[in-house]
Amino acid sequence: DAGVIQSPRHEVTEMGQEVTLRCKPISGHNSLFWYRQTMMRGLELLIYFNNNVPIDDSGMPEDRFSAKMPNASFSTLKIQPSEPRDSAVYFCASSLSFSQETQYFGPGTRLLVL
Amino acid sequence: GDSVTQMEGPVTLSEEAFLTINCTYTATGYPSLFWYVQYPGEGLQLLLKATKADDKGSNKGFEATYRKETTSFHLEKGSVQVSDSAVYFCALRELTGGGNKLTFGTGTQLKVEL
Repeated sequence: DAGVIQSPRHEVTEMGQEVTLRCKPISGHNSLFWYRQTMMRGLELLIYFNNNVPIDDSGMPEDRFSAKMPNASFSTLKIQPSEPRDSAVYFCASSLSFSQETQYFGPGTRLLVL
Repeated sequence: GDSVTQMEGPVTLSEEAFLTINCTYTATGYPSLFWYVQYPGEGLQLLLKATKADDKGSNKGFEATYRKETTSFHLEKGSVQVSDSAVYFCALRELTGGGNKLTFGTGTQLKVEL
């Protein structure tokens, strides 16, 4: 059974470019989460969705970041324009429902902004 | 707000040694507590959890007991293996308030040597 799928696994881009990260949650899961992991700040929750609706985006660092979930099987996290300080590993996770506690993480996208 | 504090790493042990990774938390309500593990190059995986005071979570030889009186959830294993080398994250989820939002500690890296 496929887990959470993220693409690309690695992304190298130049400052100012637009970056789009993609996530496919586990089939049947209704909640989706985007996290960012850095050495300095650890693991931070950026935004999460329930039934495709954003519930809490208080962790989104600034207006350069946006996330969408157009349907139950796909979500994107976009950074425009990207900056070197955005370099991090971005994880997507999903859970069965809004109240179900276990989150299942994807393998992450390692982003490097030069 | 909620917070989780973990002992800093890296923790370096010889194979078959006893492991303890300390975790304490601050929460206003009655959280569920989790340990997640991240192997190199992978996303986080749920290792074990406990949902109420005095519960013991266990998996793969690891255990942790929910201690409300000391607000702690220390991870232990009697005999570690090289394959246990990973980063371990303590996390909590508040049962009051909205949704399925996890608060993570900063992670503790474990290195097990032969």
